[in-house]
Amino acid sequence: EAAVTQSPRNKVAVTGGKVTLSCNQTNNHNNMYWYRQDTGHGLRLIHYSYGAGSTEKGDIPDGYKASRPSQENFSLILELATPSQTSVYFCASGTGYNNQAPLFGEGTRLSVL
Amino acid sequence: GQQVQQSPASLVLQEGENAELQCNFSTSLNSMQWFYQRPGGSLVSLFYNPSGTKHSGRLTSTTVIKERRSSLHISSSQTTDSGTYLCALASSNTNKVVFGTGTRLQVLP
Repeated sequence: EAAVTQSPRNKVAVTGGKVTLSCNQTNNHNNMYWYRQDTGHGLRLIHYSYGAGSTEKGDIPDGYKASRPSQENFSLILELATPSQTSVYFCASGTGYNNQAPLFGEGTRLSVL
Repeated sequence: GQQVQQSPASLVLQEGENAELQCNFSTSLNSMQWFYQRPGGSLVSLFYNPSGTKHSGRLTSTTVIKERRSSLHISSSQTTDSGTYLCALASSNTNKVVFGTGTRLQVLP
């Protein structure tokens, strides 16, 4: 069964700390995406990837890095977490949206204190 | 400016009433999707509808590319329809997907 799994599901971090959010997909999709969702802004694209080894900047990449070491895994890295990065983060995988709906993970709720 | 505008921002219905949710976009379209977000937060894809009309149970999605709009119609609403409905489009020019800010629907018993 196709799936996108995010970990952790909940995270509390301290300001200035490093946070890594992980995403794993078993769909053999080339494209993977990281979004954050905040009240009044909807979902905004942070980083995305076309395949292993590739990362691309989305609309709000500042303060975030991404890593795609394999087809299955796509990580979002906050090197120096700030309270403004408190949000719900969603990972998705897809074939490119031309002929198939993307699949989303369950979300990770991050609080930076 | 915002490429994808959703309206209304929120909607309250009595069970059994119909709802019409709108999504207007300002960029050329490659694909249009509607999602339902449960109160707990997970996203469920409702329709992948780049053009035309699609039906699924009590839901109907219509995308009119020339008019740069897509709608989601919910008939005979139920309390379990409560949640947030999001539209998302992929631009013809990029491989990125842009989301609207959503319509929060509350269906009262």
